[in-house]
Amino acid sequence: GENVEQHPSTLSVQEGDSAVIKCTYSDSASNYFPWYKQELGKRPQLIIDIRSNVGEKKDQRIAVTLNKTAKHFSLHITETQPEDSAVYFCAASVNSGYALNFGKGTSLLVTP
Amino acid sequence: DAGVTQSPTHLIKTRGQQVTLRCSPKSGHDTVSWYQQALGQGPQFIFQYYEEEERQRGNFPDRFSGHQFPNYSSELNVNALLLGDSALYLCASSLNRLTIVEQYFGPGTRLTVT
Repeated sequence: GENVEQHPSTLSVQEGDSAVIKCTYSDSASNYFPWYKQELGKRPQLIIDIRSNVGEKKDQRIAVTLNKTAKHFSLHITETQPEDSAVYFCAASVNSGYALNFGKGTSLLVTP
Repeated sequence: DAGVTQSPTHLIKTRGQQVTLRCSPKSGHDTVSWYQQALGQGPQFIFQYYEEEERQRGNFPDRFSGHQFPNYSSELNVNALLLGDSALYLCASSLNRLTIVEQYFGPGTRLTVT
């Protein structure tokens, strides 16, 4: 089955710096890659996603890049703010409506 | 517009008992997926229901079973509970269609097995 590896497990940055989280996947059939943000005690919320026919997608301070050949994708957060502090999960799926295979998460701390 | 709701919020059970968790999908959604999230880990896919049938299943034993009702709500049943079943159980709903669909998560049910 699909195996998603996520690094780093923890990341601490100063407010205003950029943060990058990287994921690799094993199943070449995967074609949908969402990123979820989970604040303490709350539900995971989708922040951005990308399909395999797209190399990069941006939404304000958040961007995701995908290298299908190398089977890795990354989340980039620019101009980080304290409210960006949360656990971020990457996931991969063969279809956006089907099983999501999640990484183990990255705990991001943004210090003022 | 109600989002995904789950009940109960918290549950404490004893090893060997059985438990039923419930999920109501977001309005307009017809597909329900269940995930298990152990402490400090990412959610793990248990199974997905569409049109009252189990459409896809993850690597979980038969002790985990489910059901989807005509109104699209769903139940997750776990028999013969083990200590390792202690986790946050998340339900996610989506609309079955060919374009990109977002899976919306509920707040989860925290199950503790003692």
